[in-house]
Amino acid sequence: DTAVSQTPKYLVTQMGNDKSIKCEQNLGHDTMYWYKQDSKKFLKIMFSYNNKELIINETVPNRFSPKSPDKAHLNLHINSLELGDSAVYFCASSPGAHTQYFGPGTRLTVL
Amino acid sequence: AQSVTQLGSHVSVSEGALVLLRCNYSSSVPPYLFWYVQYPNQGLQLLLKYTTGATLVKGINGFEAEFKKSETSFHLTKPSAHMSDAAEYFCAVTPTGGFKTIFGAGTRLFVKA
Repeated sequence: DTAVSQTPKYLVTQMGNDKSIKCEQNLGHDTMYWYKQDSKKFLKIMFSYNNKELIINETVPNRFSPKSPDKAHLNLHINSLELGDSAVYFCASSPGAHTQYFGPGTRLTVL
Repeated sequence: AQSVTQLGSHVSVSEGALVLLRCNYSSSVPPYLFWYVQYPNQGLQLLLKYTTGATLVKGINGFEAEFKKSETSFHLTKPSAHMSDAAEYFCAVTPTGGFKTIFGAGTRLFVKA
């Protein structure tokens, strides 16, 4: 059974479109994260939720909006996609402030 | 503010040779320290971590790391490299009691036959 899953795995879209990435974890963790990994493999945290409450909100464009309907899910919605949004987006979960368990990633390509 | 520096964006070793990947951190108090590995087209997975206690920690796949407070370092080693160790390695820190993890820029390990 997959611990942290993301859908879709690949997402190719045109500039200006709106898209969503979904994340689910079955580990019972309280904390979930979204990270962006650029083409040079640099990993940057975007958001984090703890028990459905937003606890980390880094400096990202407000076109990015996370939503956590329950502890097991954290979705990422992106409005008006731009070329610079092309990256791999990773979801992760953790039992508090320790080890993070990462999903397989969603490769977003904006044309 | 915390930061993580990984020396060397690329490291190349021969199969069977020692692997040494360097990580230094900047923090006002000793943080939690982690090493993660990322294989091509996959997410990150934990190799090992230091929170408290013994400063030499052992992880999966024969890797280990030593926390040296005086040097603010957490270098990763493996006595004998295997072809399957070729991957991207990330050092990371989380402040004690905090949630925000800072990742280093990563070190790509190449293993030559």
